[in-house]
Amino acid sequence: NAGVTQTPKFQVLKTGQSMTLQCAQDMNHNSMYWYRQDPGMGLRLIYYSASEGTTDKGEVPNGYNVSRLNKREFSLRLESAAPSQTSVYFCASSARQGVGEQYFGPGTRLTVT
Amino acid sequence: EDQVTQSPEALRLQEGESSSLNCSYTVSGLRGLFWYRQDPGKGPEFLFTLYSAGEEKEKERLKATLTKKESFLHITAPKPEDSATYLCAVHPSGGSQGNLIFGKGTKLSVKP
Repeated sequence: NAGVTQTPKFQVLKTGQSMTLQCAQDMNHNSMYWYRQDPGMGLRLIYYSASEGTTDKGEVPNGYNVSRLNKREFSLRLESAAPSQTSVYFCASSARQGVGEQYFGPGTRLTVT
Repeated sequence: EDQVTQSPEALRLQEGESSSLNCSYTVSGLRGLFWYRQDPGKGPEFLFTLYSAGEEKEKERLKATLTKKESFLHITAPKPEDSATYLCAVHPSGGSQGNLIFGKGTKLSVKP
């Protein structure tokens, strides 16, 4: 039982490049989330998917897109990376959106130069 | 506006020196309050959920309590392996689309 997994663990991009962060969970959870964590800012929600087939914007969605591929997988895409997107990205899942605890993956450390 | 504030930002303790971390919140209504532990370079690890004032949860040297305006994470006789950043989060019942609001965390260092 791996919980929440994320790939890659580290990534360096040049400004303007694109990439997709992958996330998968094996807990049969309905809801999945993408956060970013910056020094002094705490965790901020980028996008979430309350259930398979739905996605919604969180607090800081600009510059990102998401896809809920199936119940297990939720990806985050940066179409044209900017230095302001340098951050650590965490994926999380919960049994239901708005109820109960969320479980987090190990994170992806992204640097945009 | 829903808000979560954690204090202190950093706390240094000697091994065995008990203390408490504070999480104060301002929300329209509380569905739940959560404590997480985060080690450097890792994702947050779930510790406790508290739902109503007066509730307490314990795990090893940690005890979380909840009042109507704040939560405390009490650490009894800490060990160096308790060193980590402790995050508090709340689920407001109104607004914020029902998603978690996180505090900025308290970085705990326990010296042997």
